[in-house]
Amino acid sequence: EVKLVESGGGLVQPGGSLRLSCEGSDFKFSTYDMNWVRQAPGKGLEWVSYITNSAGSTTYAESVKGRFTVSRDNAKNSVYLHMNSLRADDTAVYYCARNVRAWNYCMDVWGQGSTVIVSS
Amino acid sequence: EIVLTQSPDTLSLSPGERATLSCRADQRVSSRYLSWYQHKPGRAPRLLIYDASIRVTGIPDRFSGSATGTDFTLTISRLEPEDFAVYYCQHYDSLRFAFGGGTKVEIK
Repeated sequence: EVKLVESGGGLVQPGGSLRLSCEGSDFKFSTYDMNWVRQAPGKGLEWVSYITNSAGSTTYAESVKGRFTVSRDNAKNSVYLHMNSLRADDTAVYYCARNVRAWNYCMDVWGQGSTVIVSS
Repeated sequence: EIVLTQSPDTLSLSPGERATLSCRADQRVSSRYLSWYQHKPGRAPRLLIYDASIRVTGIPDRFSGSATGTDFTLTISRLEPEDFAVYYCQHYDSLRFAFGGGTKVEIK
């Protein structure tokens, strides 16, 4: 079964750092671009970051640019989101999602999400 | 940056009724890069439609999408109990992505 599993969420103080991981299984991870998408409590989905299959290109939402960094290790079938200078409004469920270029960049497989709470 | 506005915020309907959800872009966009997702609480979002109107394999044919200029529509022809959820449109442009604010389809 094609699957994505996020991990690494938790409670962190404002200004702190956290690294989320997302591991893919049962598909050729190295051939897919990946996204991070978040949902704050009571809010809608917000795109956070994108990385191409080779990590040659990365992009970020303005709300996280300069604070978050996306990376990947294709040997480990994993993508990461390094989050620094965390703020209360970064509190959210963070999803990783597989991107399908052939389907014009939609996101066809999603993980169950990892919860990040930024609070003192 | 493209902004997608979904309407209405909430749609209160009964099972068996037709649901019409709207997504409007604030500038001209390619319908090729417009997708629709269903999201239920505590679950992963689910891709329903891409290229504005192509249904993903396994998605029931009561779900359909259409596009006219900057206006996109998701239609659920006859609501089933499992269709009550939040629906999002999403657009891609130049390695960047945007989601609409979502429409909640609730049981009346």
